[in-house]
Amino acid sequence: AQSVAQPEDQVNVAEGNPLTVKCTYSVSGNPYLFWYVQYPNRGLQFLLKYITGDNLVKGSYGFEAEFNKSQTSFHLKKPSALVSDSALYFCAVRSFNDYKLSFGAGTTVTVRA
Amino acid sequence: DTGVSQDPRHKITKRGQNVTFRCDPISEHNRLYWYRQTLGQGPEFLTYFQNEAQLEKSRLLSDRFSAERPKGSFSTLEIQRTEQGDSAMYLCASSLTGGAGDTQYFGPGTRLTVL
Repeated sequence: AQSVAQPEDQVNVAEGNPLTVKCTYSVSGNPYLFWYVQYPNRGLQFLLKYITGDNLVKGSYGFEAEFNKSQTSFHLKKPSALVSDSALYFCAVRSFNDYKLSFGAGTTVTVRA
Repeated sequence: DTGVSQDPRHKITKRGQNVTFRCDPISEHNRLYWYRQTLGQGPEFLTYFQNEAQLEKSRLLSDRFSAERPKGSFSTLEIQRTEQGDSAMYLCASSLTGGAGDTQYFGPGTRLTVL
């Protein structure tokens, strides 16, 4: 079985401050990890992924994520948040030989001006 | 590249009616997935296809649900005898085998409301 936990329902930050959205996972074998963002009444947009290699992954719109195998975490980060980053963020995991994604419940990010 | 498209974007129906949704994946993507998302939750896997073969179905997919991908291109998801509990956003995604990590790209979704 595979699963994702996003421990924070909401994250509130001021514009220009660093943003972190937390994610921990459980999966058999090596994980494939993904972050998606969802705007109201829209589908999910892919931000970044970790498959193998460097533990720090860079993605779209200035986002990055750090894979930590010992802590089974894959936290999403942005050094300087923008108001336009306000959205719902999902972490997802799959194993090497299982193509379906398992998603966390999501974290709502609000960036105030 | 055009993205994944879904039709309709919104569907309101009465309990007991049948509904059908369509998904057009990114061209040349051989894998196609269906997920369901309810309010306040992350998407939950329903089923996926590789080309025209349906390779896995979730236990969430009751016998009232059926999905097809007849020519390995677009897919349809039909719900028979809809129930109020079927109200949700139905998301379609596609990916390319061998693309690093098989990244899934999602469509805008079809929001179903069952009255």
